[in-house]
Parts: sequence; C-alpha cells; structure tokens
Amino acid sequence: TQLLEQSPQFLSIQEGENLTVYCNSSSVFSSLQWYRQEPGEGPVLLVTVVTGGEVKKLKRLTFQFGDARKDSSLHITAAQPGDTGLYLCAGVSGNQFYFGTGTSLTVIP
Amino acid sequence: DSGVTQTPKHLITATGQRVTLRCSPRSGDLSVYWYQQSLDQGLQFLIQYYNGEERAKGNILERFSAQQFPDLHSELNLSSLELGDSALYFCASSVGGRSPLHFGNGTRLTVT
Repeated sequence: TQLLEQSPQFLSIQEGENLTVYCNSSSVFSSLQWYRQEPGEGPVLLVTVVTGGEVKKLKRLTFQFGDARKDSSLHITAAQPGDTGLYLCAGVSGNQFYFGTGTSLTVIP
Repeated sequence: DSGVTQTPKHLITATGQRVTLRCSPRSGDLSVYWYQQSLDQGLQFLIQYYNGEERAKGNILERFSAQQFPDLHSELNLSSLELGDSALYFCASSVGGRSPLHFGNGTRLTVT
C-alpha cells in the first residue's frame, strides 16, 4: 500500500490569511492530483501535476510537485470562506489512485 | 454535476442485513472505482472495474462484492452488515489510465 500523509489534518484560519497544506509519501508517483470535497458531495478535481518540480496556479491556489515526485504542497493566498472544505491529494501510479489522509480547512469570515 | 449518479443517497439498515449500492458512470467512462469514506479514515479504495472486468482490489472485505454490467453501471453489494460498515460509499469513474476521477455524491450507509 502506498501511503500519503497530509498535514495538517485540521486547519482553522481567519479570512484573508495564507496557508499551506502538505502531502508526503515515500513512494514515487507518475502524477499527483488535488481534490476538494464539500459536505454532502464527492471530491472534485482541482489540479493534476505531472512533472517533478512543476508549479501550477489556479487563481489564489498554488500547487507544487516535489522534484522527486514523492510529495506536493498546496498554498492558498488570502483564504476565503468559500475555500472551506476537505482537501485530498492523490498519488497516481499505473491506473491506481492513492488518496491522502485529508486536510479539513475551515475559513472563518 | 460530475455526471456520475449514485443511488440511493441514504440507506439505513440493521446489522446482518444485505444492501446493494448502485453507480452509473459518466457517459463514455469505462472505469469505475468504489471507495469507502469513514469520519476518521479518509478515502479507502475498495475495488476497480474496467469495461466489465475487475482490474484492481483494495481493502475490500470478503463480505463485500461488486460487479460492472455490460451497460457499464456498477453495483456494490454489502452483506452481513456490521455497525463498523457505516460510512459514505463513493463511486468514481474515469475514461481509464491516469485520467482524473469523477465522483458521485455518495451513498451514506447507516447500520443500526
């Protein structure tokens, strides 16, 4: 089993603050995906990173894939209440998706 | 809307019973994945089908089984239910390979 550990597990911040979520593994993945899940719904894909060292930006969200393709980070600038949700990373190997333990983010207005 | 449909949305049943969860994948997607999500355990991979054939198995109990039909919809059968089986069960579909997963909104199973 390929495990992905996310940190922190829980995060509660004020609107306007910045935050970083980490996704770490000892395994190498061909790509890594980030999903966001809101209460009562399934996870929704935010981004896929493929190349070691790759950085992708999605408005206020910045995603980075580690050089060795074992880890990733998600940075949110000026968090807003609409960013609240469960953030999940998923390492892709072959046609298998290995999900991280999740980071539950609450942004307080 | 992901295009993946799961029914029923909620299911309440007693220990020892058997239930069937249904998933209709997104149009054109051949691959179906089943995941279990408990409050304290994140998404646990159960099983994957591709075009009607089992492709991979995860931490799926022997009491659980699944299949994918010729029309590509899939069913997850849970039998001899225990209290610990209470969880959200998600189905996800993709075109295959490393393509992103598209999740349904899940079935919330409560075993009493």
